[in-house]
Amino acid sequence: GDSVTQMEGPVTLSEEAFLTINCTYTATGYPSLFWYVQYPGEGLQLLLKATKADDKGSNKGFEATYRKETTSFHLEKGSVQVSDSAVYFCALSDSWSTGNQFYFGTGTSLTVIP
Amino acid sequence: DAGVTQSPTHLIKTRGQQVTLRCSPISGHKSVSWYQQVLGQGPQFIFQYYEKEERGRGNFPDRFSARQFPNYSSELNVNALLLGDSALYLCASSEYGQGRANTEAFFGQGTRLTVV
Repeated sequence: GDSVTQMEGPVTLSEEAFLTINCTYTATGYPSLFWYVQYPGEGLQLLLKATKADDKGSNKGFEATYRKETTSFHLEKGSVQVSDSAVYFCALSDSWSTGNQFYFGTGTSLTVIP
Repeated sequence: DAGVTQSPTHLIKTRGQQVTLRCSPISGHKSVSWYQQVLGQGPQFIFQYYEKEERGRGNFPDRFSARQFPNYSSELNVNALLLGDSALYLCASSEYGQGRANTEAFFGQGTRLTVV
């Protein structure tokens, strides 16, 4: 079945450091891939998405490229800020085979220190 | 515009009791899904409803049930509560089925359920 494997955390970085959070997936069809972010006490917010191979999603300085050959969708940011501290979830959805069901990774907690 | 709204925000119940959680989707969205997020884990899919019909069910016991109303709002019911049902319950709406494939899900703030 479909699944997402995400880099274990927690991750602690200094402000302006480079961020990478690894994500790989398993899917039988042609899924779309997503990164969601969760701030303390809140629900999930969509950070970025990519709907087909080689697409690059980007938002607020974050980027991720849909790599079909390596089944990966790693999240990167060149210079993190304290306000980026949150939990990040990689997810996939494949409407053609599983409706609008989302499969999430376990989440990676990021703390950015000044 | 209002996003996905859930009520109540927090709930404390005793083992064996029943609970009903409510969700109103974004205006115009016809699909609603429910997820359970246990502390420290990613959300796990429970149900999806589209046009008042169940379109998907996750690996949860029959104590969990849901329905969708004509105005596309939804309720999640959990019977015979167990301590392990303590979690954040998230509702999501999307434009699934409305001519777009693999649409993103928009999540509410969640209902924090504590079973004691």
